[in-house]
Amino acid sequence: ILNVEQSPQSLHVQEGDSTNFTCSFPSSNFYALHWYRWETAKSPEALFVMTLNGDEKKKGRISATLNTKEGYSYLYIKGSQPEDSATYLCAFPNQAGTALIFGKGTTLSVSS
Amino acid sequence: NAGVTQTPKFQVLKTGQSMTLQCAQDMNHNSMYWYRQDPGMGLRLIYYSASEGTTDKGEVPNGYNVSRLNKREFSLRLESAAPSQTSVYFCASSDTSGADTQYFGPGTRLTVL
Repeated sequence: ILNVEQSPQSLHVQEGDSTNFTCSFPSSNFYALHWYRWETAKSPEALFVMTLNGDEKKKGRISATLNTKEGYSYLYIKGSQPEDSATYLCAFPNQAGTALIFGKGTTLSVSS
Repeated sequence: NAGVTQTPKFQVLKTGQSMTLQCAQDMNHNSMYWYRQDPGMGLRLIYYSASEGTTDKGEVPNGYNVSRLNKREFSLRLESAAPSQTSVYFCASSDTSGADTQYFGPGTRLTVL
């Protein structure tokens, strides 16, 4: 079973702070790396799908980078707002490419 | 489009009872998935169906069965519910493979007493 590791498990920031967290995945046979945003009492929603080494994706104040050779991706949030409070999941395809293996997530709490 | 729908939203069972969780998608996706979410454990894959007519075990399949009824529908059955199956269950679908973006249903909160 492939392991997808996320760190930190949780963090708490003040409104306006910028923050980032990490997803580590197996670097061999890379195909794609997914980021999802999961708000409490809602369903996970896709943020980014990243496929190329050096890829950088951006959606508003949230961006992500990808290093397939060393097996990590960073998610950045610039100027955090209370509405950014959520759990951020990364996911990696299984060896057969038929399903995603999810990390346990990083839970972000932003105080106003 | 409704996307991915799940029924019921909430359910309380007694140990040993059986039930089926229903999931349907209207996006013409080939692949469908069932996950459970437990505190501190993230999303764990129970079963998936890469295409109509096929199903495969995920990380935590014990105690569950699935049926891919047609391209739209993928059901999850608990034959004899146990308290360890108390969880929130999410159904998801994706276009063609596990590498594609998955779209999630609203979840079913199941409590087994």
